[in-house]
Amino acid sequence: DVKVTQSSRYLVKRTGEKVFLECVQDMDHENMFWYRQDPGLGLRLIYFSYDVKMKEKGDIPEGYSVSREKKERFSLILESASTNQTSMYLCASTLSGPNYGYTFGSGTRLTVV
Amino acid sequence: DAKTTQPNSMESNEEEPVHLPCNHSTISGTDYIHWYRQLPSQGPEYVIHGLTSNVNNRMASLAIAEDRKSSTLILHRATLRDAAVYYCILSWKEGAQKLVFGQGTRLTINP
Repeated sequence: DVKVTQSSRYLVKRTGEKVFLECVQDMDHENMFWYRQDPGLGLRLIYFSYDVKMKEKGDIPEGYSVSREKKERFSLILESASTNQTSMYLCASTLSGPNYGYTFGSGTRLTVV
Repeated sequence: DAKTTQPNSMESNEEEPVHLPCNHSTISGTDYIHWYRQLPSQGPEYVIHGLTSNVNNRMASLAIAEDRKSSTLILHRATLRDAAVYYCILSWKEGAQKLVFGQGTRLTINP
């Protein structure tokens, strides 16, 4: 089975800190995605990547950046964490093309205090 | 983006079949229909997807209308573990390949 592993299940950070959320997949998927999920707002796409060193903005990229130096790893960076970035963050990966399902990680619940 | 419309919630009984509807009247000819579900405190889980023909797998069946403007996810014999939020999503072929989630249908299974 494909696995998408997110480095932390729970994180607590202080306002203004630089935060790294790591995601690793083990099935050579080209595409990787970062979503956040908030009550009443559902899952929203932050950034995605089609290949190493490539990135595309999703629907809510403000306050975030990403890094993909290796195919299996996709990092989400909060340059200066703020309380409104408290959320559940979900990573996903898939092969290229619409005929493949996505595999999601278990999520990282980030609290910014 | 092509949109989908699902009921906010549905309820069913254990060991009975469940039919979860989805409308996607603006679907394009190359959009695949994907279904995912999210159990409490977990990430979404792939259930099934299809293009034109009905599809079956170990988790569920997907029935796609002939005009492709609607589809139905069928759980043949619901268990308590099927209680989740179910999302119907159209996956693009042209342009950006990304899943855009709606609010989904919250399925409750009664014992």
